Amino acid sequence: GAVVSQHPSWVICKSGTSVKIECRSLDFQATTMFWYRQFPKQSLMLMATSNEGSKATYEQGVEKDKFLINHASLTLSTLTVTSAHPEDSSFYICSARTSGGSWDTQYFGPGTRLTVL
Amino acid sequence: GDSVTQMEGPVTLSEEAFLTINCTYTATGYPSLFWYVQYPGEGLQLLLKATKADDKGSNKGFEATYRKETTSFHLEKGSVQVSDSAVYFCALSDGQGAQKLVFGQGTRLTINP
Repeated sequence: GAVVSQHPSWVICKSGTSVKIECRSLDFQATTMFWYRQFPKQSLMLMATSNEGSKATYEQGVEKDKFLINHASLTLSTLTVTSAHPEDSSFYICSARTSGGSWDTQYFGPGTRLTVL
Repeated sequence: GDSVTQMEGPVTLSEEAFLTINCTYTATGYPSLFWYVQYPGEGLQLLLKATKADDKGSNKGFEATYRKETTSFHLEKGSVQVSDSAVYFCALSDGQGAQKLVFGQGTRLTINP
């Protein structure tokens, strides 16, 4: 089956620093990738949708200058949390949709836990 | 906007018990409905889906039927196993544009031997 990896799986950083999270599709090409955020005991909330080679589309209320998304290739998307603060601590999950597969099937990464001190 | 509501967890059952996890939705159009499962330390995996009213999705002994009249998509399994312990998410996609998923809050299921 299609596999999506994320790196790192967890990260701790100081307030004010920037953190980059990578999302890779390991055995397929992903024209579209999604970034989600999950707070403890809450649902996944979509942050943004990124298509390879174009700017990401952010959901209402998500600061695009704070959460920078780059989808430079068909197998890699990155999320950079800039000037992170404790309220950015969360579980970040990416998913990818294959270019040739079912339009409604997304493959999810295992997530990255970010803790900002 | 579209939304999904799942029954509160956690849910704890004994092996071979019958399982139901309730899910209801609110949508303006005709969404596709999904159940995803997340095993410990892993990413969400698609468990089953249904794309139109009265469709039944099934996989690994789990079933869910798309009920338009009650806007529901309840997950059922006749006899659960310890290996079914996981977090289950109900979700919908409105099929428009990028086909974004809207998730319920998740239900943690623990099966005791």
